[in-house]
Amino acid sequence: DAKTTQPNSMESNEEEPVHLPCNHSTISGTDYIHWYRQLPSQGPEYVIHGLTSNVNNRMASLAIAEDRKSSTLILHRATLRDAAVYYCMVTTSGTYKYIFGTGTRLKVLA
Amino acid sequence: GAGVSQTPSNKVTEKGKYVELRCDPISGHTALYWYRQSLGQGPEFLIYFQGTGAADDSGLPNDRFFAVRPEGSVSTLKIQRTERGDSAVYLCASSFHTSGGPNEQFFGPGTRLTVL
Repeated sequence: DAKTTQPNSMESNEEEPVHLPCNHSTISGTDYIHWYRQLPSQGPEYVIHGLTSNVNNRMASLAIAEDRKSSTLILHRATLRDAAVYYCMVTTSGTYKYIFGTGTRLKVLA
Repeated sequence: GAGVSQTPSNKVTEKGKYVELRCDPISGHTALYWYRQSLGQGPEFLIYFQGTGAADDSGLPNDRFFAVRPEGSVSTLKIQRTERGDSAVYLCASSFHTSGGPNEQFFGPGTRLTVL
């Protein structure tokens, strides 16, 4: 599976948008991009996934670069409950295991 | 509905002892995964079950680690002759299985294992 690179940490003010970047320059044509987040003392939880087109759901939006070598998770209005470690992962179709990196620790300031 | 549950939530054992960690997946999920997470690191894949069989056990670190899922539902991760380096949070996840495309994995809260 393709390796991903994320910043170690980011900060955001409450109620402002947050853009979390992820680089995956070795992604292949059928690889999916996944985002999970892990709140303190909890297991990871699904946020969003995509293949080529931008995706929106109730939690976030995923913007995928045209060449697919990078993507951005967008939280439209950060709340204190969004403080977590955010993991970006790439999987090959048919592969069911995730390779987590160290993720981006998001701190939300009141 | 009920999520993935794991028991115990905490386990303290002594070096050399045997431990069993249990995972109850979401009803109807045919795929089950075990990961372990050390402090400050992301989860590390251990093993994946599709039904009763281990479809991928490439992440098990050595032969002291073994996992079973005899009826295709509950799974037990077994660690023999525990070492201090086995101390970590052991996470279980489950998902539906489809023939292609990604499946959302639902994670349990984990079992914190401490080996003294």
